[in-house]
Amino acid sequence: EVQLVESGGGLVQPGGSLRLSCAASGFTLSSYSMNWVRQAPGKGLECVSYITSSSSTIYYADSVKGRFTTSRDNAKNSLYLQMNSLRAEDTAVYYCARFSLSGTYYFDYWGQGTLVTVSS
Amino acid sequence: DIQMTQSPSSLSASVGDRVTITCRASQSISSYLNWYQQKPGKAPKLLIYAASSLQSGVPSRFSGSGSETDFTLTISSLQPEDLATYYCQQTYSTPWTFGQGTKVEIK
Repeated sequence: EVQLVESGGGLVQPGGSLRLSCAASGFTLSSYSMNWVRQAPGKGLECVSYITSSSSTIYYADSVKGRFTTSRDNAKNSLYLQMNSLRAEDTAVYYCARFSLSGTYYFDYWGQGTLVTVSS
Repeated sequence: DIQMTQSPSSLSASVGDRVTITCRASQSISSYLNWYQQKPGKAPKLLIYAASSLQSGVPSRFSGSGSETDFTLTISSLQPEDLATYYCQQTYSTPWTFGQGTKVEIK
């Protein structure tokens, strides 16, 4: 069974840092591109970052570019999101999502999400 | 960036009703259009990919159509468990973008 489990969320002060993890099981992480998607309270979905299977291409939304860093450790079946210089507007549930392998692109599995709250 | 616009933003319908949600892209995205269902407090779940392909395990009352810029998600007979917010998403080009969501309520 495919599972994605996020961890690392919590309360952090503005300007602080957090590192989110996404543990993958039930499939070979190294074969898949992955995504981080966030959802602010009561709001819609925003793709924050996308990383290819080999990490050769990493995309960041303008809203987080220069502050967030996505990485992966395929040997540990894990995806990471390092978040620095956090702002109140980064408060959201953060999901990791698997990108399909097929030629048509979609997010076929999602984690349950981890809540990040940026507040003093 | 490609903008995705959904309509309506919310709707209320009765059990058994046919429900239609539309999604318009700001430029042609071929068939790189997906639909997700998000129930309250849960992660989004894939319903339809490539505009019209039903994800495995999704009830057949859900269907998708469209291409280029105009797309539709249809629920043929609304069920109580369909209470959720529905999002369209384009994966034609980065940044992958979502519509603002359509909240479906049961009368």
